[in-house]
Amino acid sequence: EIVMTQSPATLSVSPGERATLSCRASQSVSSNLAWYQQKPGQAPRLLIYGASTRATGIPARFSGSGSGTEFTLTISSLQSEDFAVYYCQQYNNWRSTFGGGTKVEIK
Amino acid sequence: QVQLQESGPGLVKPSQTLSLTCTVSGGSISSGSYYWSWIRQPAGKGLEWIGRIYTSGSTNYNPSLKSRVTISVDTSKNQFSLKLSSVTAADTAVYYCARDYGDYDYWGQGTLVTVSS
Repeated sequence: EIVMTQSPATLSVSPGERATLSCRASQSVSSNLAWYQQKPGQAPRLLIYGASTRATGIPARFSGSGSGTEFTLTISSLQSEDFAVYYCQQYNNWRSTFGGGTKVEIK
Repeated sequence: QVQLQESGPGLVKPSQTLSLTCTVSGGSISSGSYYWSWIRQPAGKGLEWIGRIYTSGSTNYNPSLKSRVTISVDTSKNQFSLKLSSVTAADTAVYYCARDYGDYDYWGQGTLVTVSS
């Protein structure tokens, strides 16, 4: 099983500031990495796939980078609607696994 | 626009079998090279992939649940289904169905299943 570790668990950020979220894989997943946003009571929403490609309709303030074992999701200027929990997911093999999540909260 | 909707009992007794169905609308479940997955999330916790099915019937299951999971597909109804046997309180969660291309681009709204007597 590929273990995905996200850090930090909680990130306190002021609106308009930049947020940087990290995700580490226990072994290389190449670029087979996705990021999701989840708000309370809602299903996760795909933000990024292929480590760096924004999904349809995702604002340009969301960007993803990395390959292999180290990945980053950056939100360039946090808007009120961006406060949520973010998950990374690897799909390098058929056994998909998720990170534990990073909660982005208002500072 | 593809939409997915989970349905099934919200309460299951311990040791019984949890059964859920996901109905796909806005497109054929057989079109494209997609798998169809089940994912669950206990309250306040993270996401766990349960398993997936291709429209040919080929399946993959999470090894931690494999002995208890069966996923099937009914292309004529544009549906796929989940059965999880011998449930315990640890299986209480929101269950999601999702379209699987490696990443999950379309999700159902989720359905809460509680295991309790």
